[in-house]
Amino acid sequence: DADVTQTPRNRITKTGKRIMLECSQTKGHDRMYWYRQDPGLGLRLIYYSFDVKDINKGEISDGYSVSRQAQAKFSLSLESAIPNQTALYFCATSDPTGSPYEQYFGPGTRLTVT
Amino acid sequence: GDSVTQMEGPVTLSEEAFLTINCTYTATGYPSLFWYVQYPGEGLQLLLKATKADDKGSNKGFEATYRKETTSFHLEKGSVQVSDSAVYFCALSESGGSNYKLTFGKGTLLTVNP
Repeated sequence: DADVTQTPRNRITKTGKRIMLECSQTKGHDRMYWYRQDPGLGLRLIYYSFDVKDINKGEISDGYSVSRQAQAKFSLSLESAIPNQTALYFCATSDPTGSPYEQYFGPGTRLTVT
Repeated sequence: GDSVTQMEGPVTLSEEAFLTINCTYTATGYPSLFWYVQYPGEGLQLLLKATKADDKGSNKGFEATYRKETTSFHLEKGSVQVSDSAVYFCALSESGGSNYKLTFGKGTLLTVNP
């Protein structure tokens, strides 16, 4: 079984709708991350969490929110989706005791906002 | 701030050709350097890493050497295969307090033809 899973894998939604992307991990890592990938732009960090009570904004957090329900679960919400949030979204985890800090990625969620 | 610049793609090679994907970085301190690979329809996977100057990371026939004097971490493979077709990302993780964060390049698409 995959160590980092994301649901759904694909989603099409309409402008203005609220949508949640979910991430679960079985690696036992404390740190979790949400990235978005756009063609030609690489990956950009949206939010990251060092533990259940420690959540931080990344470089492009506007229009997004997150919830860390448990060590193993980290959800990303788009409160009111807009077309320029169409992208590939990745969840990742890392173990702070690892050296150097390597991240482990889920398979991604392809989101299309029409 | 930290940044990673990698050669723009796409790169198209014939099987058994030599591969080089250039990567240079800007960072304060002494970052760790990574190459991640993204196969079609999948999340990113760590390909190789190097933590200090002159270290050589290697995996699956790929190599990259951490060159502090030229701030570079070029990816090479002597003989590519069709199965190497993927997007390759160079990334760095800053040392010190902010070493949770990966800064990615924009990615280079490699296509290997039989």
